[in-house]
Amino acid sequence: SQQGEEDPQALSIQEGENATMNCSYKTSINNLQWYRQNSGRGLVHLILIRSNEREKHSGRLRVTLDTSKKSSSLLITASRAADTASYFCATDGAGTASKLTFGTGTRLQVTL
Amino acid sequence: NAGVTQTPKFQVLKTGQSMTLQCAQDMNHEYMSWYRQDPGMGLRLIHYSVGAGITDQGEVPNGYNVSRSTTEDFPLRLLSAAPSQTSVYFCASSYEGGSEKLFFGSGTQLSVL
Repeated sequence: SQQGEEDPQALSIQEGENATMNCSYKTSINNLQWYRQNSGRGLVHLILIRSNEREKHSGRLRVTLDTSKKSSSLLITASRAADTASYFCATDGAGTASKLTFGTGTRLQVTL
Repeated sequence: NAGVTQTPKFQVLKTGQSMTLQCAQDMNHEYMSWYRQDPGMGLRLIHYSVGAGITDQGEVPNGYNVSRSTTEDFPLRLLSAAPSQTSVYFCASSYEGGSEKLFFGSGTQLSVL
């Protein structure tokens, strides 16, 4: 069963604009992670936010976590064509040690 | 460091054939796992291992076997391939466990005819 669900499924923006992707999950978590997947490649870890954190930054990435709403958002600022990829959230459900559950992903297209 | 290495990159099987997908990591990670990725389904956990000699089932283990005889290697075996196993398979490893940052291989595209 899918723990995380990303929204929107697809997003198309122009270079320089900001991109926001959302993730909702169903049960309590220990942490939430975001990964990027370029076409035909493996996933690359972007950022991890723990359940007791509300916001985290890494370069042009900003992640927020609202455990009361069971949701997270990933903001990519000043997007570039190289940001074109699929983005997945993954959750470590409380009581499910050693098991990361991935959502279905958001496909981001950044055009020049 | 090579990171996580998967072989082969592509494979075509006939129904009923067997094969082993190889995964090796050179980061001395204790945790290793196998996921499959299907369109619209995200990634689903097949099997995982928290150390040499220890394996456990994930969300979709049926039709797959694993073993972990060394820290470096975690092969995935399909004993009798079925068309439903057509998918992209990813191996991932982590130093701190399955709920921490995962390092992924580049994937194996498997087609079962």
